[in-house]
Amino acid sequence: DGGITQSPKYLFRKEGQNVTLSCEQNLNHDAMYWYRQDPGQGLRLIYYSQIVNDFQKGDIAEGYSVSREKKESFPLTVTSAQKNPTAFYLCGVAGGESTDTQYFGPGTRLTVL
Amino acid sequence: GDSVTQMEGPVTLSEEAFLTINCTYTATGYPSLFWYVQYPGEGLQLLLKATKADDKGSNKGFEATYRKETTSFHLEKGSVQVSDSAVYFCALSRGGYQKVTFGIGTKLQVIP
Repeated sequence: DGGITQSPKYLFRKEGQNVTLSCEQNLNHDAMYWYRQDPGQGLRLIYYSQIVNDFQKGDIAEGYSVSREKKESFPLTVTSAQKNPTAFYLCGVAGGESTDTQYFGPGTRLTVL
Repeated sequence: GDSVTQMEGPVTLSEEAFLTINCTYTATGYPSLFWYVQYPGEGLQLLLKATKADDKGSNKGFEATYRKETTSFHLEKGSVQVSDSAVYFCALSRGGYQKVTFGIGTKLQVIP
């Protein structure tokens, strides 16, 4: 979706390093989500936030952290505690008239060297 | 808990063939149902949705009907094109910013 940006598109990390993935939206939507995508496993929810300064763990939160200081931004930090971080990461947003519908950014591919 | 089941594929079709990708779900109540499409190296795009029983979602020649009695939301297209090659995800949501449950995705390959 044009109103959701993720950066960088490709990210390389050495083992033991923390990295932060950016997600920004200009849709003025309340809720934001982070998913991890691995081949053959669909999308798995990492964290989500329904309002500023509040967020909840998803199904696979271990080794990740987030913040929601501004409505338009929801950065995801992949910490060194995440044992297998190589994956495609997708940011989603929801809001407006359809709180059930999520829209997605273009994704960030993280590779651990 | 909620779940969505779809074939992983790949599904390989010749151009202009009829497409069906099956999706069944397990959930109480009346969730909203979705199909998303993902092209290589990109994020998910919303293809269509339906919010209540017997609703038909449609977009770009794709259709799916919300069947409460069979808990299904099968994706169909009458004549596929090479440009339809992608991974298709079936999903459900209970609304109110709650988590969306996704199927594993079905890869479609359309050959000329």
